[in-house]
Amino acid sequence: AQTVTQSQPEMSVQEAETVTLSCTYDTSESDYYLFWYKQPPSRQMILVIRQEAYKQQNATENRFSVNFQKAAKSFSLKISDSQLGDAAMYFCAYRPFHGSSNTGKLIFGQGTTLQVKP
Amino acid sequence: DVKVTQSSRYLVKRTGEKVFLECVQDMDHENMFWYRQDPGLGLRLIYFSYDVKMKEKGDIPEGYSVSREKKERFSLILESASTNQTSMYLCASTSPGLGNSPLHFGNGTRLTVT
Repeated sequence: AQTVTQSQPEMSVQEAETVTLSCTYDTSESDYYLFWYKQPPSRQMILVIRQEAYKQQNATENRFSVNFQKAAKSFSLKISDSQLGDAAMYFCAYRPFHGSSNTGKLIFGQGTTLQVKP
Repeated sequence: DVKVTQSSRYLVKRTGEKVFLECVQDMDHENMFWYRQDPGLGLRLIYFSYDVKMKEKGDIPEGYSVSREKKERFSLILESASTNQTSMYLCASTSPGLGNSPLHFGNGTRLTVT
């Protein structure tokens, strides 16, 4: 079974600095999709960034970028120029290409709580 | 914007009660999901539905059932609530097809069973 592991329960960063959140996953599939979601105190889950495994180029969305290492099965999230509004819980998630790709279900990691210090 | 609405933000129920958690989405999505969120465990899939009246068990279906009578509405039912079902429940929806389609989530229902 596929699993997703976030080994950092909590992280902190100084405002305007850069922080990297780690995520590893276990799969025997070659094609799949990876996502990072943010959950602020409002509890609304917000998509941060997504990556298709067949794309070698790392995805980027403004201050958010990923370091996708397919061979190592690693999918870390880098937040540059951290802002107070980035404080939230961040979840890494995996979706296989076949089978459940038509159902859309995601397999989530345990989450990392990010604190941003002013 | 996709809107997924969960009927209750907070709910307190007694052990043994039958509990209904309601979720409605307004984007005509075929697929809907119920996840449970617990500290240190992340989100775990309880049930999902890929069409009206169609459902499949997720990873932790025990003690739960679901109902999908209309495309836009997906209900989670706790047949006899127990204290170990105290948790945050998140509903989500998406369209099938494109593998990178994100899940759209509701704001969650924090359920306490006493």
